[in-house]
Amino acid sequence: SQQGEEDPQALSIQEGENATMNCSYKTSINNLQWYRQNSGRGLVHLILIRSNEREKHSGRLRVTLDTSKKSSSLLITASRAADTASYFCATGEGAGNKLTFGGGTRVLVKP
Amino acid sequence: DTGVSQDPRHKITKRGQNVTFRCDPISEHNRLYWYRQTLGQGPEFLTYFQNEAQLEKSRLLSDRFSAERPKGSFSTLEIQRTEQGDSAMYLCASSYDRGRGKLFFGSGTQLSVL
Repeated sequence: SQQGEEDPQALSIQEGENATMNCSYKTSINNLQWYRQNSGRGLVHLILIRSNEREKHSGRLRVTLDTSKKSSSLLITASRAADTASYFCATGEGAGNKLTFGGGTRVLVKP
Repeated sequence: DTGVSQDPRHKITKRGQNVTFRCDPISEHNRLYWYRQTLGQGPEFLTYFQNEAQLEKSRLLSDRFSAERPKGSFSTLEIQRTEQGDSAMYLCASSYDRGRGKLFFGSGTQLSVL
């Protein structure tokens, strides 16, 4: 079963615009991570935010975490055509930090 | 750092046949994970190793699935008596204790069961 649910399921924007996607989860977590997946490829880690953090930045990425609402958001600023991909949130649980992934948001950035 | 490698990249098999996939993690990583991903969905956890010990298996992993990690290095995932519902991308990932939970994924093995 998947813990996280991303919203929206798909997003189409023009190059230069910002893209925002949200993730909701159900249980207590150690951390929440965002990954990107290009079509037919493996996942690439983007950013990790710990349960005691509220906001984190990495380049054009901004992640927020609200543990009271069990939700997170990923903002990609000034999007580029190369940002076209599926984006997944994943929650880390337990000693081995097994990740549970959501269903993903498919982002299309039009040039 | 040569990354996580998986072999083969694609496998087409007939229903009822056995298949085996291999994953070579990043050399200093002691944790290795297998996930399965179907089209349009997120990856689903199958199993996880710390060194050579298989510490957790998903209830999704039927008796037809078995995974090994001899000597705590590469891992194999075998599916016996494949069914059409086994068609999916099988992803391997690795990490290390001090990696703060970040997983490094391979490119996956795409299995098609005809």
